[in-house]
Amino acid sequence: NAGVMQNPRHLVRRRGQEARLRCSPMKGHSHVYWYRQLPEEGLKFMVYLQKENIIDESGMPKERFSAEFPKEGPSILRIQQVVRGDSAAYFCASHPDRAEAHRAEAFFGQGTRLTVV
Amino acid sequence: RKEVEQDPGPFNVPEGATVAFNCTYSNSASQSFFWYRQDCRKEPKLLMSVYSSGNEDGRFTAQLNRASQYISLLIRDSKLSDSATYLCVVTFISNFGNEKLTFGTGTRLTIIP
Repeated sequence: NAGVMQNPRHLVRRRGQEARLRCSPMKGHSHVYWYRQLPEEGLKFMVYLQKENIIDESGMPKERFSAEFPKEGPSILRIQQVVRGDSAAYFCASHPDRAEAHRAEAFFGQGTRLTVV
Repeated sequence: RKEVEQDPGPFNVPEGATVAFNCTYSNSASQSFFWYRQDCRKEPKLLMSVYSSGNEDGRFTAQLNRASQYISLLIRDSKLSDSATYLCVVTFISNFGNEKLTFGTGTRLTIIP
């Protein structure tokens, strides 16, 4: 049973370019969270998605950031026109159906480390 | 006030010693509580859930005090491999109906030989 898969593991972008981060949840999980971790800081919630639905995007910056979780394929976190302040580790987590969520742990992917140069 | 507060440390503790971490949370509607462990440049991994009755897993003991909105983690007979950042995690049901995990900034622990 493969865990949460994120790719790429490392991504370098020049200022102004676009970054696309991918996340495939664990088999059987239909809920995906994205978190950002700045250097020396804790994880900050960004967005919560189910298949084909954005449920809670209250942690997403208002501009340049978007997320999707299509019916087929991985969840994508997209950052347009990246700036140096976007450099961080971006973690994806998945867990089972919401009904069981309060008893279940969230499983994290290994993260994508974005560096903007 | 932060939703989840932890002492960032660092805690430098000799091998074999006992160390305790504390965490406070602000949302009284919080439902679930966890301690996660994060090694340097790795993803967070669940260490243990925290229950009101307190729970123990080997050398690790977790306690929850809902009245004081306080969580603790105790590590006995610490090992070098316990060196990591320990994240306090609190969940609640958001206005959107999803379970929202809120992380503390973590407490860094280094076990010294």
